Amino acid sequence: GNSVTQMEGPVTLSEEAFLTINCTYTATGYPSLFWYVQYPGEGLQLLLKATKADDKGSNKGFEATYRKETTSFHLEKGSVQVSDSAVYFCALSDRKDNFNKFYFGSGTKLNVKP
Amino acid sequence: EAQVTQNPRYLITVTGKKLTVTCSQNMNHEYMSWYRQDPGLGLRQIYYSMNVEVTDKGDVPEGYKVSRKEKRNFPLILESPSPNQTSLYFCASSLIAALSYNEQFFGPGTRLTVL
Repeated sequence: GNSVTQMEGPVTLSEEAFLTINCTYTATGYPSLFWYVQYPGEGLQLLLKATKADDKGSNKGFEATYRKETTSFHLEKGSVQVSDSAVYFCALSDRKDNFNKFYFGSGTKLNVKP
Repeated sequence: EAQVTQNPRYLITVTGKKLTVTCSQNMNHEYMSWYRQDPGLGLRQIYYSMNVEVTDKGDVPEGYKVSRKEKRNFPLILESPSPNQTSLYFCASSLIAALSYNEQFFGPGTRLTVL
């Protein structure tokens, strides 16, 4: 079946540090991959997405590359800010019956200290 | 502004007292869904709807009901809430259910406590 596994948090970094949050997936079809961000007290917002192998999604300095050979979609940012403190969810969308179902990872909390 | 709204945002209730959490979207989306978020478990789908009058169970439907009488609204009903339904609930919508690259748009969440 389909599933998403992401690294457990919390991850604590100093401002301007490099960020990597690992995400791997299993899928039976040809999924699209997403990263969502959840700021405190808010709903999930789409951060970036990639719809096919080797695609790179990017937004607000974050990047992730769809790696089919390693079934991974790791999130990276070169220099984090305090305002990036949030919970990050990796997700995939894959065909099930006649619609596309979303599968979410358990979330990784990021704390960025000044 | 394009958005998904949920009400109430916070609710404390007692075991067995029926409640409804409303969800509405103004983007003319076909697909709507309810999730619950629990620590360490990520988001788990409760029910979803492909379009008006078309609903189906997700991964954790027990104890919940839904209806989709209008395209914009997708209420979540707890007929007899129990403490294990204490959770953070999210409504989400997507333009077309059959397209994998369509992202889901999420509401702000409803924090429910059942005593």
